[in-house]
Amino acid sequence: DTAVSQTPKYLVTQMGNDKSIKCEQNLGHDTMYWYKQDSKKFLKIMFSYNNKELIINETVPNRFSPKSPDKAHLNLHINSLELGDSAVYFCASSQWGTSGGTDTQYFGPGTRLTVL
Amino acid sequence: QQPVQSPQAVILREGEDAVINCSSSKALYSVHWYRQKHGEAPVFLMILLKGGEQKGHEKISASFNEKKQQSSLYLTASQLSYSGTYFCGTASSARQLTFGSGTQLTVLP
Repeated sequence: DTAVSQTPKYLVTQMGNDKSIKCEQNLGHDTMYWYKQDSKKFLKIMFSYNNKELIINETVPNRFSPKSPDKAHLNLHINSLELGDSAVYFCASSQWGTSGGTDTQYFGPGTRLTVL
Repeated sequence: QQPVQSPQAVILREGEDAVINCSSSKALYSVHWYRQKHGEAPVFLMILLKGGEQKGHEKISASFNEKKQQSSLYLTASQLSYSGTYFCGTASSARQLTFGSGTQLTVLP
């Protein structure tokens, strides 16, 4: 059973195109995240949703738009793709921490986006 | 602000021990440790909570000094499978994880 799944695994596209990445979790968690990992392996939070509400929106270009249709799904749509968007995008989920801070996060397999 | 990890890289022989450190300038609620193998997703190893609670794998040990906002991950009797990049993630009142730049661990036979 896959806990956190993402599609597609690989995405190769031209500059200026629009693309979407989908994420689903079957862990019953109420919080989902998008991370970007660049070529230097730096993992940076982009967005976080708790019970379908946006709670974290880091300094990300507004070409990136997340959507959470329900607690188990968080999609990422990217408009007008640029070369600098090439990276691995990870989805993750967790349960909202009751003791402050976030509980354990479980990561999806990642989507490797290459913009040509 | 991003936590600082040290060392950036370490090479070991099987059976040797290693310590990876993580420090933050912010007051923390928790510290999380993940391992990522090449081409794979980060995998949870351990979470250390303010107040002393820990959750994680039995064979992994770590410490969290709340006063100094520092954590250390202890890898003992390393195995080939321990190779990978280790990330610490710190959680403050913002309820999000901010990851360090990673420590690349290589275990040689």
